[in-house]
Amino acid sequence: SQKIEQNSEALNIQEGKTATLTCNYTNYSPAYLQWYRQDPGRGPVFLLLIRENEKEKRKERLKVTFDTTLKQSLFHITASQPADSATYLCALDMGWGGATNKLIFGTGTLLAVQP
Amino acid sequence: DAMVIQNPRYQVTQFGKPVTLSCSQTLNHNVMYWYQQKSSQAPKLLFHYYDKDFNNEADTPDNFQSRRPNTSFCFLDIRSPGLGDAAMYLCATSGRGSNEKLFFGSGTQLSVL
Repeated sequence: SQKIEQNSEALNIQEGKTATLTCNYTNYSPAYLQWYRQDPGRGPVFLLLIRENEKEKRKERLKVTFDTTLKQSLFHITASQPADSATYLCALDMGWGGATNKLIFGTGTLLAVQP
Repeated sequence: DAMVIQNPRYQVTQFGKPVTLSCSQTLNHNVMYWYQQKSSQAPKLLFHYYDKDFNNEADTPDNFQSRRPNTSFCFLDIRSPGLGDAAMYLCATSGRGSNEKLFFGSGTQLSVL
């Protein structure tokens, strides 16, 4: 069956450390993978997109890797801050083409950065 | 600022009483989506519109319907809400294309009594 798995346990880290979140998937062949941040009671907010032929993407303190052989994406936040505390969702974009993209989301990992 | 607006933020309805959730956008995006998200679960796509073309997910219950009268507005109708339909309903938009990011509204939290 098709699955997207993110760390179900909350990730607690100390301010200033690097947070690493994992997204594993099975029986999918996504063309793109996206990461979103979701705060309690709010809608997700887009962070980064990485294509299947890209190994790594960076944006400020954020870095995403995409390994299609391992079927895994890693999401890193360097120099983490308490304001980074939120749930982070990965989403597979199957790239069905045409005019729309349908994202399939993981359940998310709750990150808590302690001051 | 261009954005996706959902009303109301919180909606309480009674078991079996029809309810409508609304979404509007100022981004002029072709595509609008409705997702259902239950507590600690992944957002689940219910359906989406590309312009006026409606695309239903295979496992979306018949109890859920949608209308898009124009580019800016989209509605989610739940004909006979059950207790299991209590969830956060998220509206999102995207531009045309297969690698577009989604812009989400703040969601409507639906309670069914």
